[in-house]
Amino acid sequence: QVQLVESGGGVVQSGRSLRLSCAASGFSLSNYDMHWVRQAPGRGLEWVAVTWQDGTTKYSADSVMGRFTISRDSSRNAMYLQMNSLRPEDTAIYYCAKDSGRGDYGGPLDHWGQGTPVTVSS
Amino acid sequence: QVVVTQSPSASASLGASVKLTCTLSSGHISYAIAWHQQQPEKGPRFLMKVNRDGTYNKGDGIPERFSGSSSGTERHLTISSLRSEDEADYYCQTWDTGIRVFGGGTKLTV
Repeated sequence: QVQLVESGGGVVQSGRSLRLSCAASGFSLSNYDMHWVRQAPGRGLEWVAVTWQDGTTKYSADSVMGRFTISRDSSRNAMYLQMNSLRPEDTAIYYCAKDSGRGDYGGPLDHWGQGTPVTVSS
Repeated sequence: QVVVTQSPSASASLGASVKLTCTLSSGHISYAIAWHQQQPEKGPRFLMKVNRDGTYNKGDGIPERFSGSSSGTERHLTISSLRSEDEADYYCQTWDTGIRVFGGGTKLTV
């Protein structure tokens, strides 16, 4: 069955960098769009970024644009989030999620990982 | 840009039914949405996709107690025969090219 396992979270100082990983199994990552979604303590879900199935097209939320970079390695069936210039407001649990489709036919996020926590200290 | 709005809280009794609502912003009446459940201290879980016409497609293993419907710009999630484990946060999510949008979530107390 579909499994998504995040790793790479931790405590980091403001201004520093961190790289999150998402290992996928039970499906081929190259057939679907993949997302990062985060949840700050006590808050709701916030979409962060998407990498389309084509491996080239990427979009990100305004709050992280220019600082976070999403990528994928289909040979490893894995996705990544490079987070630079981290701020205290980036403190959250980061979830990796699989899209039910791809590109212009993407839509609901139909499988989620268990999340990896990131804490940015000032 | 599309926005989805949810009431922050809802409550219902064990064994009863509850209907949660997600409202699409003006001009986005044709949009489908997805419902996700987040139990305390757990990651989200996809429940279903609800289309404009009221049809819905559930995720793997989602019980029959969960159903969807639609009316105008509202998309609904109905949970019948409520159990204690249904106490959770429920998020609606929609999409446009390149973006995904979440509602603020509804905290359901059973």
